[in-house]
Amino acid sequence: EIVLTQSPATLSLSPGDRATLSCRASQSVSTYLAWYQQKPGQAPRLLIYDASNRATGIPPRFSGSGSGTDFTLTISSLEPEDFALYYCQQRSSNWPAFGQGTRLEIK
Amino acid sequence: EVQLVESGGGLVKPGGSLRLSCAASGFTFSSYIMNWVRQAPGKGLEWVSSISSSGNYIYYADSLKGRFTISRDNAKNSLYLQMNSLRAEDTAVYYCARDGRFGVALVGPDAFDIWGQGTVVTVSS
Repeated sequence: EIVLTQSPATLSLSPGDRATLSCRASQSVSTYLAWYQQKPGQAPRLLIYDASNRATGIPPRFSGSGSGTDFTLTISSLEPEDFALYYCQQRSSNWPAFGQGTRLEIK
Repeated sequence: EVQLVESGGGLVKPGGSLRLSCAASGFTFSSYIMNWVRQAPGKGLEWVSSISSSGNYIYYADSLKGRFTISRDNAKNSLYLQMNSLRAEDTAVYYCARDGRFGVALVGPDAFDIWGQGTVVTVSS
């Protein structure tokens, strides 16, 4: 079973700041990693797939990087609507587990 | 419009059963792998189960221990989750989600690209 660990659990930043969220896998998942954003009371929304590809309609301030076991989601300049929960998900096996999430909150 | 709409949630007693449905529209349902994902109150996302486009390949999270059964009816553009022997820890919002890859060649984003709004399941006496 592949376990994903996200850090930090909570990130406190201000609009306009750069956000860096981390996701570490317990074993290599190559680039089979996705990122999702979830706002209160809403379903998750796909942001990034295959570690670095933006999903349709996702603004360019969102970017993903990494391979193997270490991955990063970067938001270059935070907009007010970016404060939400973020989850990574591995797609390397037939059991596509999620990380526990990072809460991005307004400082 | 591409859409997934879940239904069938509700309040059920421990040990009871419930069948969730997910109605798909706006895309060729029979070409896509489909999934169930749940989220307990205040908790993170938990993948529950996946089913291939034809229904021939099915996977479950180990934690379910054979209590849940995923199925689909491509003629009705519908996905199902039969949940038996329900426990308090099964209380969650249940989402159906489309795997972005389609067709035999699995072309497309390798992620859950379309989600329903969720249906709430509460297991309590």
